[in-house]
Amino acid sequence: DVKVTQSSRYLVKRTGEKVFLECVQDMDHENMFWYRQDPGLGLRLIYFSYDVKMKEKGDIPEGYSVSREKKERFSLILESASTNQTSMYLCASSFPSRQREGRQETQYFGPGTRLLVL
Amino acid sequence: AQKITQTQPGMFVQEKEAVTLDCTYDTSDQSYGLFWYKQPSSGEMIFLIYQGSYDEQNATEGRYSLNFQKARKSANLVISASQLGDSAMYFCAMREPFVAGNNRKLIWGLGTSLAVNP
Repeated sequence: DVKVTQSSRYLVKRTGEKVFLECVQDMDHENMFWYRQDPGLGLRLIYFSYDVKMKEKGDIPEGYSVSREKKERFSLILESASTNQTSMYLCASSFPSRQREGRQETQYFGPGTRLLVL
Repeated sequence: AQKITQTQPGMFVQEKEAVTLDCTYDTSDQSYGLFWYKQPSSGEMIFLIYQGSYDEQNATEGRYSLNFQKARKSANLVISASQLGDSAMYFCAMREPFVAGNNRKLIWGLGTSLAVNP
């Protein structure tokens, strides 16, 4: 069965703290993604990774960094948390693109982390 | 540019009735794929159904079916025999066009909130 886990469901941090959000998948997926979700703005891609040690910026990478040292694990790092980073963070994984095939690119999500920065 | 539009911010349906959630898309690519996800209040994004642009038949998964009208560029989700547990946000998404060597991301709509009344 498909399984993506995130290290915390709820997290409260102080402004300026360094925050680590961890995501682990057990499906041997090459691709992993970090999104943030805010009311009225939908899902916005922060970063994604298509292989170990490889990463690409998404739509809103500012203030974030990522790390992928192992295939199954993708970490999102808030270098210095700010109140405007209070949000729901969702991790997902998928197989990579293969020509015209699409179904296998289905992204599977973790339960999400609700982060509050005070 | 590719875009997904979900025009219904909120919908109500009576338990056991069918409901249609609208999704229109904009793409110039001939090969594309469309996804629907469900997000209950717990926060996890759950994959529901996939439709490829070359699929000859409308996709179905249990009580979910996709009313795919290629000429109109619409991919509406139909939920039959609504249940109280169907109350959630529903998101339509489209994968980016295929470019050799690239890994495709998903383009997301803003979602529709569905409430099922007993």
